[in-house]
Amino acid sequence: EAQLLDSGGGVERPGGSLRLSCAASGFSFEDYGMAWVRQVPGKGLEWVSGSNWNGGSTGYADSVKGRFTISRDNAKKSLYLQMNSLRADDTALYHCARVGRGLAFDIWGQGTMVTVSS
Amino acid sequence: QPVLTQPTSLSASPGASATFTCTLRSGINVGTYRMYWYQQKPGSLPRYLLRYRSDSDFQHGSGVPSRFSGSKDASTNTGLLLVSGLQSDDEADYYCAIWYTSTDVVFGGGTKLTVL
Repeated sequence: EAQLLDSGGGVERPGGSLRLSCAASGFSFEDYGMAWVRQVPGKGLEWVSGSNWNGGSTGYADSVKGRFTISRDNAKKSLYLQMNSLRADDTALYHCARVGRGLAFDIWGQGTMVTVSS
Repeated sequence: QPVLTQPTSLSASPGASATFTCTLRSGINVGTYRMYWYQQKPGSLPRYLLRYRSDSDFQHGSGVPSRFSGSKDASTNTGLLLVSGLQSDDEADYYCAIWYTSTDVVFGGGTKLTVL
């Protein structure tokens, strides 16, 4: 069964950094694009960043461009999100998601909570 | 103006049909994009329902019943999710999304469905 396990969230002060990880299992990780999607509790989904199968093509939401970096290690079947210069409005539950056939987000991690507060 | 605009809420009766709308910003043509629909029940992860661009470019997510379908209204530049035979279990938030560029995705703000 295809699964994604998110980790690395926590409480950080404004201006600080965190690195999120997403461990994949049950499918050929290197065959798929991946993405990070966040959700403020009680609010909607916001796409944050995405990567193609080898990290050679990436994209970022305007709200995180220049502060966040997505990367992946196919040998370790893992996706990462380096989050720098954190702001209070980055507070959210962060999910990794698999970009399936037809470019749908077909598998979602359970999420890891990031709280930015002084 | 947001790229994708969804009404915040929708109510319908059990057994009835519901139509969710997702309107694209002026200048972005609904016929150009595949529109993806996701369902998120309270306390659960989002679930991919289907994608739709045309009747010949349409895909259901795995295990999604045929009472969920897609369409579009070119006259209003709007993507549509149609749900027939509503059940109480369909109560959820429904999100539309498009690949706005080759690398970037945009979600709509979501519509909360109440079945009463």
